[in-house]
Amino acid sequence: KAGVTQTPRYLIKTRGQQVTLSCSPISGHRSVSWYQQTPGQGLQFLFEYFSETQRNKGNFPGRFSGRQFSNSRSEMNVSTLELGDSALYLCASSSGPQKDEQYFGPGTRLTVT
Amino acid sequence: EDQVTQSPEALRLQEGESSSLNCSYTVSGLRGLFWYRQDPGKGPEFLFTLYSAGEEKEKERLKATLTKKESFLHITAPKPEDSATYLCAVMNSGYSTLTFGKGTMLLVSP
Repeated sequence: KAGVTQTPRYLIKTRGQQVTLSCSPISGHRSVSWYQQTPGQGLQFLFEYFSETQRNKGNFPGRFSGRQFSNSRSEMNVSTLELGDSALYLCASSSGPQKDEQYFGPGTRLTVT
Repeated sequence: EDQVTQSPEALRLQEGESSSLNCSYTVSGLRGLFWYRQDPGKGPEFLFTLYSAGEEKEKERLKATLTKKESFLHITAPKPEDSATYLCAVMNSGYSTLTFGKGTMLLVSP
């Protein structure tokens, strides 16, 4: 079974721009969660989607948004990029809400200059 | 607010030298405690889920245990390929998101 895939793997953007990251979950998984990982803060939860509905949202500004499509693929968008948004963005999938084990993709490394 | 604290931040072992990593947590209602392994430049790899105090799980040289306040990841006779960052996370019974600790970076020297 193929794992979670994320595209692109690496991205360099300029302050003020916006970016869209994509995540394809494991086949059959319907829940997708996004996390931001930085050296200072570690892994922090951004949001969770299940059946195209946002179920939970972390403590991030409104510049961070996401959506999920009917095939369970998910995208997250960051508008008006700031230097502090430089991070590894990780997507994780599970078979459903409270279906405990979450399986992570390789991440997208975003660098904002 | 759920909190997870891992110690030590970094650990250096000789091959074959057993040790333990600690994960202390506070959560209003624990649904599960998770251990992940993360290699540089990669996403976390799932290792274990523990649900209740007293539970233990093993995988090769790794054994995870759980009490009401903390979890331990015991590494027996580690090998250099066990070098990685080990992450602990909790899931609150009220929602299905993970709260992570900052990890323990393990380096095993031959």
